[in-house]
Amino acid sequence: SQQGEEDPQALSIQEGENATMNCSYKTSINNLQWYRQNSGRGLVHLILIRSNEREKHSGRLRVTLDTSKKSSSLLITASRAADTASYFCATAPGGGADGLTFGKGTHLIIQP
Amino acid sequence: GAVVSQHPSRVICKSGTSVKIECRSLDFQATTMFWYRQFPKKSLMLMATSNEGSKATYEQGVEKDKFLINHASLTLSTLTVTSAHPEDSSFYICSARDWSSGGASYNEQFFGPGTRLTVL
Repeated sequence: SQQGEEDPQALSIQEGENATMNCSYKTSINNLQWYRQNSGRGLVHLILIRSNEREKHSGRLRVTLDTSKKSSSLLITASRAADTASYFCATAPGGGADGLTFGKGTHLIIQP
Repeated sequence: GAVVSQHPSRVICKSGTSVKIECRSLDFQATTMFWYRQFPKKSLMLMATSNEGSKATYEQGVEKDKFLINHASLTLSTLTVTSAHPEDSSFYICSARDWSSGGASYNEQFFGPGTRLTVL
């Protein structure tokens, strides 16, 4: 079942601006991951944050996790046209043997 | 890096036929693979967990007789959609976990490029 809820569902910004997407989940988690999907293609893993971490950075990406609120945010700084894609959060309730539960996704459009 | 391939990338079939989709881990061994489906403009839904050498574990609401999964080797899992109908048309994506990449609590999964199934 889908437990992740991203907002906004769609986001359109100008190139160079920052994009922030949020994700909420319902059950306890082991970790939370963010993925990118270009139209009609597979998923690209962006970043993983463990339940005992609060913030993580990777290049232009910044992820926060608030387990008390069961929410996470993904910030993309200095956006580029190539960042246009759908972004999904995914949670793993247990250990490495679990499949992922994906959120509904945010469709991000970067206008040049 | 860990690479997962899927074959075919696209398939169109007639209603009532069966379609087999292959998922391969190219440069690592995957004792566990996962199958997801994605409807247009929707998110991914976990269908089943494929375990090498044992039966697959299906999510609630997924018909095991409809979606046959075989994980005969450490690098190959197959999903067969039996007696396909138009409502089975979807984007099917597999993923595999590279157990050598971390401890039991680490769950990065590497995704295949997906298979677009269209049932006429």
